[in-house]
Amino acid sequence: QVQLQESGPGLVKPSETLSLTCTVSGASVSSGGHHWTWIRQPPGKGLEWIGYIYDDSGNTDYNPSFESRVTISGDPSKNQFSLSLTSVTAADTALYFCARGVTSGWNFDCWGQGTLVTVSS
Amino acid sequence: DIQMTQSPSSLSASVGGRVTITCRASQNIFKYLNWYQQKPGKAPKVLIYAASSLQSGVPSRFSGSGSGTDFTLSISSLQPEDFAIYYCQQSHSTPYSFGQGTKLEVK
Repeated sequence: QVQLQESGPGLVKPSETLSLTCTVSGASVSSGGHHWTWIRQPPGKGLEWIGYIYDDSGNTDYNPSFESRVTISGDPSKNQFSLSLTSVTAADTALYFCARGVTSGWNFDCWGQGTLVTVSS
Repeated sequence: DIQMTQSPSSLSASVGGRVTITCRASQNIFKYLNWYQQKPGKAPKVLIYAASSLQSGVPSRFSGSGSGTDFTLSISSLQPEDFAIYYCQQSHSTPYSFGQGTKLEVK
């Protein structure tokens, strides 16, 4: 059974960097056929795809709306992948989910429970 | 970028009833359309992928149809656990995008 678990600070100050890690069990982040993804949801609002990392080479694809603020990286030795979002503002306050995208059906079939990150001084 | 528009934004229905939610893409996405269910405080769960394929373990009262720009999610014989928010999502091209959600409430 594949499980994903987000971890990281729940409070980040404006202009600082938001850093989250997703620990995966039951699957390998370095195996093919999957996109290891970050998605967020502001309180009371809809879902926004942030980006993903895929395949052994660590190739990434990001939502342009985050411009150059976002980096997703992988650590196969720990079976984890991480999100870094720089220069955060209150608009980045959201529930952050990590998820597995499957290329066989092009959907997000497994999700973490989500972690709330609040941007506030 | 592809915009996804769902309708209605909310609807109410009775247990045992049937509902249909529609999703429209701003351009042709073929059958690259997924449907998710989200309950309060929980992560979304995929119900339908590739427009009409039922995800393993999802009850057969859920069904999806459509291609191109217009898609529907139907739920027959509504059960108490079906009252939730439903999102469509296009996987045709990045940036992947979601509809704004449809809240299904008990009448």
